[in-house]
Amino acid sequence: DAGVIQSPRHEVTEMGQEVTLRCKPISGHDYLFWYRQTMMRGLELLIYFNNNVPIDDSGMPEDRFSAKMPNASFSTLKIQPSEPRDSAVYFCASSHLGPEGGEQFFGPGTRLTVL
Amino acid sequence: GQQVMQIPQYQHVQEGEDFTTYCNSSTTLSNIQWYKQRPGGHPVFLIQLVKSGEVKKQKRLTFQFGEAKKNSSLHITATQTTDVGTYFCATRSGGYQKVTFGTGTKLQVIP
Repeated sequence: DAGVIQSPRHEVTEMGQEVTLRCKPISGHDYLFWYRQTMMRGLELLIYFNNNVPIDDSGMPEDRFSAKMPNASFSTLKIQPSEPRDSAVYFCASSHLGPEGGEQFFGPGTRLTVL
Repeated sequence: GQQVMQIPQYQHVQEGEDFTTYCNSSTTLSNIQWYKQRPGGHPVFLIQLVKSGEVKKQKRLTFQFGEAKKNSSLHITATQTTDVGTYFCATRSGGYQKVTFGTGTKLQVIP
């Protein structure tokens, strides 16, 4: 398996622009997570899905952020409009709940810079 | 939600020295996970502990879950430069898979 795939790996945009981050989870995993990592705030859970359904979006900063999972193999995190304070590394992770479950597999991340 | 605090925040050690990071919670945890993130990389799962007093080893790494299940530790014996990175503890809660990460301990190994 190729692991969790994220695109783009790097994104530089100007304030006010729309940004869309993409994630393909590991096949067979029924949980998908979006995290944001910054020096100041560490690793923050933004939202997670189970079987394509959003379960907890309490970590989403504000209405400018939205996430979708139209099917089991694809998810997007959208920021509209983007602001400089959104600059961070955004990770997508997936997992499967099994007898030894709970291990999260992280993608390589998208480094977002908003100018 | 559950919160876990880690200490220390940073640690510099000479290569060959031991290293320990601690994870503490004010509430009882059902489980604890440990992840390692190399500089510029992504978190990678190391291990999960679920039993009170549980101890697990992976080569030079020893993981321990406290008897009261409110704390955990990761100990590295004879550190190597390949151990450099940030070590996170995390706990999984609820019927779903929500994982709360600790603040992390950044380890620097001086050759």
